[in-house]
Amino acid sequence: AQTVTQSQPEMSVQEAETVTLSCTYDTSESDYYLFWYKQPPSRQMILVIRQEAYKQQNATENRFSVNFQKAAKSFSLKISDSQLGDAAMYFCAYRSIANRDDKIIFGKGTRLHILP
Amino acid sequence: NAGVTQTPKFRVLKTGQSMTLLCAQDMNHEYMYWYRQDPGMGLRLIHYSVGEGTTAKGEVPDGYNVSRLKKQNFLLGLESAAPSQTSVYFCASMIRDRTREQYFGPGTRLTVT
Repeated sequence: AQTVTQSQPEMSVQEAETVTLSCTYDTSESDYYLFWYKQPPSRQMILVIRQEAYKQQNATENRFSVNFQKAAKSFSLKISDSQLGDAAMYFCAYRSIANRDDKIIFGKGTRLHILP
Repeated sequence: NAGVTQTPKFRVLKTGQSMTLLCAQDMNHEYMYWYRQDPGMGLRLIHYSVGEGTTAKGEVPDGYNVSRLKKQNFLLGLESAAPSQTSVYFCASMIRDRTREQYFGPGTRLTVT
């Protein structure tokens, strides 16, 4: 069974600095999706970035980028120029493509604090 | 489009009471999911549905039942609430396209005393 591990329960970063959140996963599949979701205090789950495993190029969305290392099964999220609004819980998630049920597996989350 | 909505947003139950959480989506999505979120545990899948009239168990199904009588609605039932079911419940829906993006509802905070 697939698993997703986020080893940093909490992190802090100074406003305007760069921070990297770690995520590793375990799978025997070759094709899958990886996601980072943001959950601010409002509780709403917001998709930050998506990576398709067959794509070698790392996904980027404005200040958010990933470092996808398929062989190492690592999928870290880099936030550049951190802003106060980035303070949230961040979840890494894995989705199999082969499995028709299309279940998504979440890590336990990393709470990110932004220091003014 | 309202997206994914959940009713109610908050609820307090006494042990042994029953209730139903309603999830509705207006995006014509085939797939729908119920998760619970507990501190330090991330989101765990309770039940899911890959189409109208079909449901399946997820990671933590005990104590819950679901029904998907209409494509746009996915109901989560607690027959006899227990304090261990105190949690925040999220519904999500998805269309099985290239993006595989799940759309989440705003969550329901349930407290069982």
